[in-house]
Amino acid sequence: KAGVTQTPRYLIKTRGQQVTLSCSPISGHRSVSWYQQTPGQGLQFLFEYFSETQRNKGNFPGRFSGRQFSNSRSEMNVSTLELGDSALYLCASSLGQGQPQHFGDGTRLSIL
Amino acid sequence: AQKITQTQPGMFVQEKEAVTLDCTYDTSDPSYGLFWYKQPSSGEMIFLIYQGSYDQQNATEGRYSLNFQKARKSANLVISASQLGDSAMYFCAMRRRDDKIIFGKGTRLHILP
Repeated sequence: KAGVTQTPRYLIKTRGQQVTLSCSPISGHRSVSWYQQTPGQGLQFLFEYFSETQRNKGNFPGRFSGRQFSNSRSEMNVSTLELGDSALYLCASSLGQGQPQHFGDGTRLSIL
Repeated sequence: AQKITQTQPGMFVQEKEAVTLDCTYDTSDPSYGLFWYKQPSSGEMIFLIYQGSYDQQNATEGRYSLNFQKARKSANLVISASQLGDSAMYFCAMRRRDDKIIFGKGTRLHILP
């Protein structure tokens, strides 16, 4: 069974640009969550999607948005990139509430 | 505020010894779940073990066990017979009633040969 797949693995952008990250969950998983990981703040929850609906949202500005498609694949978009957005972005999928999350390898985003 | 505290930023342990990674949590929810994840230097997060707040017995998965002390709000991870491949960051996490998951800052474990 394939795991959670995140693309791309690495991305370099400049300030002011926008970026879209992709996540394909484990087959059968309908819940997809996104996290930002930085050395200073650790792992911070961005949002969670379940059956194409945003079910939970963390404390991030509106520049961070996401969506989920009917096949459970999810995308995360960050607009007007700032230097502080440099981070490892992790996607995790699960069967649903209370179930363990399985993470992808992450997308490492660097802002120059 | 609900939070997870991992008080050990780093640990050095001799290979084959057992190691305990500390985790305390703060919540007023009656129902919650506790997770441990391992993150090697390559970056992927690997699920290790799960404990539900109503589970009567401590969770075990192979060499991993979770020492769950509900009254003390602690959920320590115990790794028996440590191996060099256990060197990684370890994160304790809690699923809240609203299904959000919050993570601790992590403990970096170094296994010495």
